[in-house]
Amino acid sequence: SAVISQKPSRDICQRGTSLTIQCQVDSQVTMMFWYRQQPGQSLTLIATANQGSEATYESGFVIDKFPISRPNLTFSTLTVSNMSPEDSSIYLCSVVRGDSYEQYFGPGTRLTVT
Amino acid sequence: GQQLNQSPQSMFIQEGEDVSMNCTSSSIFNTWLWYKQDPGEGPVLLIALYKAGELTSNGRLTAQFGITRKDSFLNISASIPSDVGIYFCAGQLGEYGNKLVFGAGTILRVKS
Repeated sequence: SAVISQKPSRDICQRGTSLTIQCQVDSQVTMMFWYRQQPGQSLTLIATANQGSEATYESGFVIDKFPISRPNLTFSTLTVSNMSPEDSSIYLCSVVRGDSYEQYFGPGTRLTVT
Repeated sequence: GQQLNQSPQSMFIQEGEDVSMNCTSSSIFNTWLWYKQDPGEGPVLLIALYKAGELTSNGRLTAQFGITRKDSFLNISASIPSDVGIYFCAGQLGEYGNKLVFGAGTILRVKS
C-alpha cells in the first residue's frame, strides 16, 4: 500500500472563491487520480493526473473548473475554481504503484461551500 | 458509460450474522476491488480479484470474481460492530492502473 496525505482535511469556503487541495504520497507512484464523493453518494472520477502533462478529464469535468497539477511522482494538486454550493463534496486522491491493479485512497478533503 | 449495480443498498443485521453483498454489470471487467469506507475517512482496499472464478479471503471476508467477469460478491462472516461502514465494489477495465467504476455502496449497520 502507500501512505497518502491530503491537505486541507476540511474547509468551509465562500461562493465564488477557489480552493487548492494537495495530495502527497510517501513514495513514487505510477498513477494518481482525483475523485469526488457528493454527500451520501458513491465515488466519481474527476480526472487522471498525468506527470508533466495535462490531466485527462472524465465526461462532465473540465480543466477550467478543476485544474490539476502533477509536478512529480509523489505530489498532485486539485483546484476547485469559482465554487458554488453544488461543489460541496469530499474530494479524494488515489494512487497506483508500479504495475499494480490496486488503487489506494487518501483520507479525503471535506469541502463545504456557503 | 459502464455502471455497476450494487445490492443491497443497506443492511441492518445482528452481531454474529453472516453478510453477503454483490455487484453486477453489463460490462466485462478485468479486475474487481472491494473497499470499505468509515465515516470521515477515505475508502480502504479490502480485497482485489484478478481472475474469473477467483475466490479470495481476507480474515472474515471472502470475495469472488464471477465466471462471466460481470459480477462479484463479498461475504463477511460472523459480523462484529466494527464492520459498520459503507462497502463499495469497483470494477477496472483494461490495463493496470486504469480508472475504476464504483458501485453505489452497501451501508452495513450491526446491532450488538
